[in-house]
Amino acid sequence: EDQVTQSPEALRLQEGESSSLNCSYTVSGLRGLFWYRQDPGKGPEFLFTLYSAGEEKEKERLKATLTKKESFLHITAPKPEDSATYLCAVGSGNTGKLIFGQGTTLQVKP
Amino acid sequence: DAMVIQNPRYQVTQFGKPVTLSCSQTLNHNVMYWYQQKSSQAPKLLFHYYDKDFNNEADTPDNFQSRRPNTSFCFLDIRSPGLGDAAMYLCATSREGAGMVSGANVLTFGAGSRLTVL
Repeated sequence: EDQVTQSPEALRLQEGESSSLNCSYTVSGLRGLFWYRQDPGKGPEFLFTLYSAGEEKEKERLKATLTKKESFLHITAPKPEDSATYLCAVGSGNTGKLIFGQGTTLQVKP
Repeated sequence: DAMVIQNPRYQVTQFGKPVTLSCSQTLNHNVMYWYQQKSSQAPKLLFHYYDKDFNNEADTPDNFQSRRPNTSFCFLDIRSPGLGDAAMYLCATSREGAGMVSGANVLTFGAGSRLTVL
């Protein structure tokens, strides 16, 4: 069964304190692993897509990596404006659907 | 900018009073999706259209219906809202389906419509 699990559920950091968010997945026929950022009361905003193990992508303070079992979203020297819920999703070649994780809610304190 | 626009952003209705939420896109994408998201939960797919081809999820209640009159617009109708239907409703689009390997399966979301049922 296709499944996506994110950890931790919530993460509190001090400004400048680097950390990583985890997304573990099992899927039949990976058709991409997607990271989205969601601010309260808004729709998810696309960050990255990774398609094969070993792939990495970066955007400002964020870096996403992918293995055959999991993805990490590394946040380097975060700022308060990075506070949001980060959603991970995988595209399933088996079902043709996007399966979302529950998200990690990040709070960065000044 | 090309985008996905949802209206209204906030909708308050009474128990059992029908509601329609709308979504428009300027991306000319083939696929349009409706998701339901409750507080602190993952978005849950209700249904999607590939062009005019409608695809309903097996566990989507009959109370939820959708229409896609043209490429640009899609509507979500909730025929008799219950208290449990209070949620954020998200519209999303993609050039191709989520099962495709390529950048064509990236979903672009609208800002959402928050439904309150009294």
